[in-house]
Amino acid sequence: GQNIDQPTEMTATEGAIVQINCTYQTSGFNGLFWYQQHAGEAPTFLSYNVLDGLEEKGRFSSFLSRSKGYSYLLLKELQMKDSASYLCAVQTGANNLFFGTGTRLTVIP
Amino acid sequence: DGGITQSPKYLFRKEGQNVTLSCEQNLNHDAMYWYRQDPGQGLRLIYYSQIVNDFQKGDIAEGYSVSREKKESFPLTVTSAQKNPTAFYLCASSPTRETEAFFGQGTRLTVV
Repeated sequence: GQNIDQPTEMTATEGAIVQINCTYQTSGFNGLFWYQQHAGEAPTFLSYNVLDGLEEKGRFSSFLSRSKGYSYLLLKELQMKDSASYLCAVQTGANNLFFGTGTRLTVIP
Repeated sequence: DGGITQSPKYLFRKEGQNVTLSCEQNLNHDAMYWYRQDPGQGLRLIYYSQIVNDFQKGDIAEGYSVSREKKESFPLTVTSAQKNPTAFYLCASSPTRETEAFFGQGTRLTVV
């Protein structure tokens, strides 16, 4: 089976930096995705990692270590609108996309 | 405008009835997926299809059925065998591996 773990909830202050971790154990690995989901809405794509290292995209960065089965999403200069759930998803060898349970981030003033 | 469309947005059904959720995409994507999301939970894979006329079960396929007769369409039927069908259902598509999946806006199904 597939196992993808993320913290359930996190709280951070506006303007700060927050790191959301994701660990995975899957049958095959073709890449790791991070999605943002606001309540009641569809997920929207944030980042994709297939090689080890850091991918930076504006205020958002994502890191991957394939040997450790580990990724994190780094959000800088937090804004109130960043309050949402952040979903880690792994694309497996069979080209399926499996999601973790998501981390609900609350940004406070 | 290219995209992936789910309909309806809200759906109510009586217990014991089958119901079909629509998912259509005009992105020319090969792969399509159905996920279920319960309150405060992540997405769980129900079924996926990599190509027309072929589909595979995901983690929670029991009580659901799908078809993929056309590349553009991947309807999901929630049957009366599904014990707890009330949930938010999301359809997604992607062109190939190593590319992001695009999601529809979801269908919120309530069974009463």
